[in-house]
Parts: sequence; structure tokens; C-alpha cells
Amino acid sequence: QKEVEQDPGPLSVPEGAIVSLNCTYSNSAFQYFMWYRQYSRKGPELLMYTYSSGNKEDGRFTAQVDKSSKYISLFIRDSQPSDSATYLCAMSGEGAAGNKLTFGGGTRVLVKP
Amino acid sequence: GAVVSQHPSRVICKSGTSVKIECRSLDFQATTMFWYRQFPKKSLMLMATSNEGSKATYEQGVEKDKFLINHASLTLSTLTVTSAHPEDSSFYICSAGPSGNTIYFGEGSWLTVV
Repeated sequence: QKEVEQDPGPLSVPEGAIVSLNCTYSNSAFQYFMWYRQYSRKGPELLMYTYSSGNKEDGRFTAQVDKSSKYISLFIRDSQPSDSATYLCAMSGEGAAGNKLTFGGGTRVLVKP
Repeated sequence: GAVVSQHPSRVICKSGTSVKIECRSLDFQATTMFWYRQFPKKSLMLMATSNEGSKATYEQGVEKDKFLINHASLTLSTLTVTSAHPEDSSFYICSAGPSGNTIYFGEGSWLTVV
């Protein structure tokens, strides 16, 4: 079993719909949770960063972390064709292990005009 | 936000030659940088952790003599692919962060070995 599980998709939605992405993980030591967006042939771009459990909102993006269930989510409201990309969840622990990220496999999202 | 820059973005080299990829943190100092490799439609695979002023830490299965890492300053890490072969062709990405848990990625470098 992988440390971080993420449905590879593809997830296809019509423009304007809400995109719902999630990851599950097994390592209870993870404290920091990130979502990255990666366009084809480009480096990942940091979208959201959350520490421990809770919700965080930034524009059209909302990140949720439920540490009790070891489950994190990313919601994209009013999706646009430009949101079509691969979304990677990533997480890390405290202290010396804090810099080392463990990634999900990525979910490919396609927003159709 | 913090910026991590990679150069070159694309390189083609002949089999048997070596190629160097640079990773720079533009507006922060990074004692630690990370090098990843990514195959098409696959997630990122951590190759090594680059430590400023000391030896890099390589992940299991990554040949340290093949992928030389030098982190000579707080803003620059380099990855040298030595005696490159076609199977080394890939997308190489570095990452770093201004604080322990906020990590930014470079734009990536496409290596093609012919």
C-alpha cells in the first residue's frame, strides 16, 4: 500500500462546475499538506498549503484536512478550462523530515468549455 | 511567492557526454534542495536531497556516481548527469523552500540523450 493514495482520473467536468479532489494517507506523522497544480511539461506550482487539520480558502480554491480520517481534499469552484491540469497532493512531517515531501500519484483534471 | 529557477529548460546531448542542470533559489536561501525525476504521466520520483556544504543524500536505487549533485552555495544546487545514455532522458525538477515546509518547484529541465 502506498503512503499516499490519489485517484489518477481523468476527472472530466463542465466549465463552471466544482472540481473535487482528494487524497488519503497512512502516515499519522504527516502534519503539513500541500496541493500542487502541474501543467503538461512544466514544474508543479504550489496552490495551497495547510498545517494540521482544518480548512483554508484562497479565491476559488478550498483545501480541507481531516487528520482523524487521514483524508485531505481540494475543491475548485467555478472551474475554468485553464484549470485543466494534473493536481498533486503532497505532505510532510515535522522537524528534520519536514522538508521531504511524499506525493500522491496525481489526478488529471479536464474542464470542458 | 518564493521563486525557484532551473536552467536549462531543455537540453539535448549526445550519448556518453555529461550535462549539468542548475537550480537556483532567487529570493531566499536554501540549505536543502531536492531533485526529482518525472516520467511521462507519472508522479515525481525523489532522486536525492542536496545539502549545502555537505554530501547529497540519495534515494535507494539512484546511482550517486551517475547523478552528481553539488550544493556549493545557499542559492545554487547543480545536478550533473554523467555519461548520459538514452534511458536517462527524462524531466528533471528541483525544489526548495524558504521555510521547512513550504516547498516550491523549478520549471523543470527536459533532457534528451541521443
